[in-house]
Amino acid sequence: DQQVKQNSPSLSVQEGRISILNCDYTNSMFDYFLWYKKYPAEGPTFLISISSIKDKNEDGRFTVFLNKSAKHLSLHIVPSQPGDSAVYFCAAGSVSNFGNEKLTFGTGTRLTIIP
Amino acid sequence: DAGITQSPRHKVTETGTPVTLRCHQTENHRYMYWYRQDPGHGLRLIHYSYGVKDTDKGEVSDGYSVSRSKTEDFLLTLESATSSQTSVYFCATRHLSGNTIYFGEGSWLTVV
Repeated sequence: DQQVKQNSPSLSVQEGRISILNCDYTNSMFDYFLWYKKYPAEGPTFLISISSIKDKNEDGRFTVFLNKSAKHLSLHIVPSQPGDSAVYFCAAGSVSNFGNEKLTFGTGTRLTIIP
Repeated sequence: DAGITQSPRHKVTETGTPVTLRCHQTENHRYMYWYRQDPGHGLRLIHYSYGVKDTDKGEVSDGYSVSRSKTEDFLLTLESATSSQTSVYFCATRHLSGNTIYFGEGSWLTVV
């Protein structure tokens, strides 16, 4: 049972345009969410996170939106740059599960920025 | 960056042999994790540790064991390697008071 779903395996976006990556979750106990970026042959690196008490978090070109009622979050990258080409993983966790925290990851979306 | 070092980075082994992957961290993070990454499955948790000698199973723990005798080291052992365990393995760590986990660079394991 995939509790965190990234339904788009791949996405291509023109350089300078907005990239929107989507993620859906099913477990209502999840209360914080993270996005990771992964280049080939490297480990995932943390990008941005959001707590369920917020519906938006911004960090430079990256903004994450959370819609709790729809159990949906999205990552917006504006403007998209060639270096943004990577695989993006959505992850979810539950701080209420204190002492047993672990993240559940989606299957990833490969973003390709076209010059 | 949590100063995570994984070894070996690449290994080819034969079916039925035991394999141990090592994760070493320098940030004194309390929590440590082993994930595997496979096409179509994303990152799946194998085992994790919430302190020295305290470990628990993740969603894909069958065929794997772990040990944590020191804060800085978390070992993953494949007791008898199978071809289905060919994968990329990532170690990760997390500070006690944070929600973000930090990943190592990965260990590529091929079981032939």
